[in-house]
Amino acid sequence: QKEVEQNSGPLSVPEGAIASLNCTYSDRVSQSFFWYRQYSGKSPELIMSIYSNGDKEDGRFTAQLNKASQYVSLLIRDSQPSDSATYLCAVNEDTGRRALTFGSGTRLQVQP
Amino acid sequence: SAVISQKPSRDICQRGTSLTIQCQVDSQVTMMFWYRQQPGQSLTLIATANQGSEATYESGFVIDKFPISRPNLTFSTLTVSNMSPEDSSIYLCSVDQGDGYTFGSGTRLTVV
Repeated sequence: QKEVEQNSGPLSVPEGAIASLNCTYSDRVSQSFFWYRQYSGKSPELIMSIYSNGDKEDGRFTAQLNKASQYVSLLIRDSQPSDSATYLCAVNEDTGRRALTFGSGTRLQVQP
Repeated sequence: SAVISQKPSRDICQRGTSLTIQCQVDSQVTMMFWYRQQPGQSLTLIATANQGSEATYESGFVIDKFPISRPNLTFSTLTVSNMSPEDSSIYLCSVDQGDGYTFGSGTRLTVV
């Protein structure tokens, strides 16, 4: 049974700080990793994808992947109140099944 | 990226009735995925729908309760049958974009 674990939060950070969101997964064959942001009452929107060990940066967002430790994280620099949302970690095996398995999400609150 | 039109956006239904949710994609896709998001919870995969074949259901979901149609490469429907209050959830369709998955806007279902 594939599991994706996230701290439910809420994670509270002041405006302008770095928010660090973490995710662990249990299935060693997982190959693709995604971070989604979900505002209340809205559907998830893709922020970042990462496939290789190391860091991947896109604007204020950095995804970090460590396959040996089965760990993926998302850093949000210069956090803004508009970043307040639930962040979902998702993984898939990149095999024929192709569907994503989601963590329970971490609620982020950025305090003005 | 693909644009998914999902409808209805919300509905309130009587116990014992059925609701059909539609997803239309603006490009051809091989697989479409149907997820459920119960209140305060993360996304759970219901089934994967391929064009021209029976949908593949996840453990805990059965075809009699959640029949799916996939008549072509741009369209799919999910029916929630014989509804009970426990079916009150957000239902989402999703497609694989190659570098991430896009979601429809969701259908918020309330069963009374």
